[in-house]
Amino acid sequence: DAGVIQSPRHEVTEMGQEVTLRCKPISGHDYLFWYRQTMMRGLELLIYFNNNVPIDDSGMPEDRFSAKMPNASFSTLKIQPSEPRDSAVYFCASSPRDRVNEQYFGPGTRLTVT
Amino acid sequence: QQQVKQSPQSLIVQKGGISIINCAYENTAFDYFPWYQQFPGKGPALLIAIRPDVSEKKEGRFTISFNKSAKQFSLHIMDSQPGDSATYFCAASTRLSRGGRLYFGRGTQLTVWP
Repeated sequence: DAGVIQSPRHEVTEMGQEVTLRCKPISGHDYLFWYRQTMMRGLELLIYFNNNVPIDDSGMPEDRFSAKMPNASFSTLKIQPSEPRDSAVYFCASSPRDRVNEQYFGPGTRLTVT
Repeated sequence: QQQVKQSPQSLIVQKGGISIINCAYENTAFDYFPWYQQFPGKGPALLIAIRPDVSEKKEGRFTISFNKSAKQFSLHIMDSQPGDSATYFCAASTRLSRGGRLYFGRGTQLTVWP
């Protein structure tokens, strides 16, 4: 069974540009999480969804960040406009309803904003 | 505010030695304590987890020790191997929190010398 799929794996963009990160969770998982990882702040939870509905977005840094989950097999994290301080590795994770604590992470998207 | 505090930040161990990573928490509502392993360029992967009804859980060379009264838990890696070199994250969660949200420690970078 395929794990969590993220695309692109690497993204380099200029400050001010819009960035869209994509995630396909594991089939059958009801929960989807977006994380950001940096050396300074470690792993930060940005937002998570249950059955495609955003449950907690308190970790989203500011209005420049938005996330959607239009269906059970796809989610996006959008940054508009991007800034150099957004440079990080962004992870998507999913977990099943009966084991919500067991999160399975994707390979991540390394974002560089110049 | 860091919900889970992890130490040390980095650890160097000789092949065959024991690696020990410690974590502490304050929230007594936490009832699930996983450890994640992350290799460079990869997402974190669930390694082993424990619930507070037991004081120890062992899986192969990996053991979690849990001290409920001290609100501490630790990961022991016996007979450490160069292939164990990775970053290890402890985490905590509660069934009562929405969606099984995980609170991660800052991570420990383990290097095992051959």
